[in-house]
Amino acid sequence: EAGVVQSPRYKIIEKKQPVAFWCNPISGHNTLYWYLQNLGQGPELLIRYENEEAVDDSQLPKDRFSAERLKGVDSTLKIQPAELGDSAVYLCASSSSRGRNEQYFGPGTRLTVT
Amino acid sequence: GQQLNQSPQSMFIQEGEDVSMNCTSSSIFNTWLWYKQDPGEGPVLLIALYKAGELTSNGRLTAQFGITRKDSFLNISASIPSDVGIYFCAGLTTSGTYKYIFGTGTRLKVLA
Repeated sequence: EAGVVQSPRYKIIEKKQPVAFWCNPISGHNTLYWYLQNLGQGPELLIRYENEEAVDDSQLPKDRFSAERLKGVDSTLKIQPAELGDSAVYLCASSSSRGRNEQYFGPGTRLTVT
Repeated sequence: GQQLNQSPQSMFIQEGEDVSMNCTSSSIFNTWLWYKQDPGEGPVLLIALYKAGELTSNGRLTAQFGITRKDSFLNISASIPSDVGIYFCAGLTTSGTYKYIFGTGTRLKVLA
């Protein structure tokens, strides 16, 4: 079974530029999460989707961050415009609501804003 | 954002030694997950716990769901060099919101 797929793995952009990250969850997993992980810290939730509905986006900075999961499978997280402080690892995870709340992570996208 | 307290923050141990780490919170959780993260990779799920007092093993790893539901423990027996990495706990809260809150991590270094 394929795991959570993320792309790109690395991205370097200049500040004020836009950037987008893509995630494909484990097949059959209806719940998808985007997390932010700063260096030396644990992941922090940005947004959670149940199918195509964003059920918790309370931690998403909506002035510059947006996300979508149009068909309830793949998801895209966008930052526009990026700021220096956005440099971090962006992790995607998925789980099945029919399962036992076990979250599985992708490899992450390491973003560097210069 | 909110993070759980993990202890110790980092540790050096000799190969073959046993390792213990814990995660504590002021909140009650319904599920505890333990992850290992290698540099440049995403966290990998090691063990999941679902009931207070539950003790679960995965090879040389054993984890326990604290009876108070506010803490969890992870033990690694007979450590080997590939155990090096950062270990994170995550507690699931369904009070007010359904959300996993992660610990601050324990960085493990094994000396051969």
